[in-house]
Amino acid sequence: GQQVMQIPQYQHVQEGEDFTTYCNSSTTLSNIQWYKQRPGGHPVFLIQLVKSGEVKKQKRLTFQFGEAKKNSSLHITATQTTDVGTYFCAASGNTPLVFGKGTRLSVIA
Amino acid sequence: GAVVSQHPSRVICKSGTSVKIECRSLDFQATTMFWYRQFPKQSLMLMATSNEGSKATYEQGVEKDKFLINHASLTLSTLTVTSAHPEDSSFYICSVERSSYNEQFFGPGTRLTVL
Repeated sequence: GQQVMQIPQYQHVQEGEDFTTYCNSSTTLSNIQWYKQRPGGHPVFLIQLVKSGEVKKQKRLTFQFGEAKKNSSLHITATQTTDVGTYFCAASGNTPLVFGKGTRLSVIA
Repeated sequence: GAVVSQHPSRVICKSGTSVKIECRSLDFQATTMFWYRQFPKQSLMLMATSNEGSKATYEQGVEKDKFLINHASLTLSTLTVTSAHPEDSSFYICSVERSSYNEQFFGPGTRLTVL
């Protein structure tokens, strides 16, 4: 079945530093979604990317979808303590979604 | 978005008992709901797709007779963990999908601890 690999598994940054997580698939994806799960919470939808090469921004978050639609990235500029949590990518070609293993971000104030 | 609730939020039970978890879509009629399991510091693992009015579709390796799913209405799906054992202790999360938007809306989750 479809699989998505996500790296890194963990990332520790100083507050104010940037952070990037990457999601890769061996197959072409119809679209990719990103979710954030705060510690003790449930995943919350952030965004969906559909088009090849698409770039979307949400304040300090920048999402990219590769030209070949096989990879995606989430970049956070100048991290804040509120960014702490696990970020998951999820591939959707056919329902249901296939989640990556997530990247756990910790921010040191 | 869609508002999804789950009940209970936490449950502790003895080994061998059965536990029912409810997932409700409060503002959206969901013909399909999804049940996930998440072990500590791990990703979401899809257990089954719950279809209103028909049998659930289980993922490979998930025991149908152990994890009973009932989706009797467009707003309610239940997951019953039968004869629970300590290895069933986990965080169980349901979600609904808004087909027009394609994103999933997750319930707050149920933390099950089997003693």
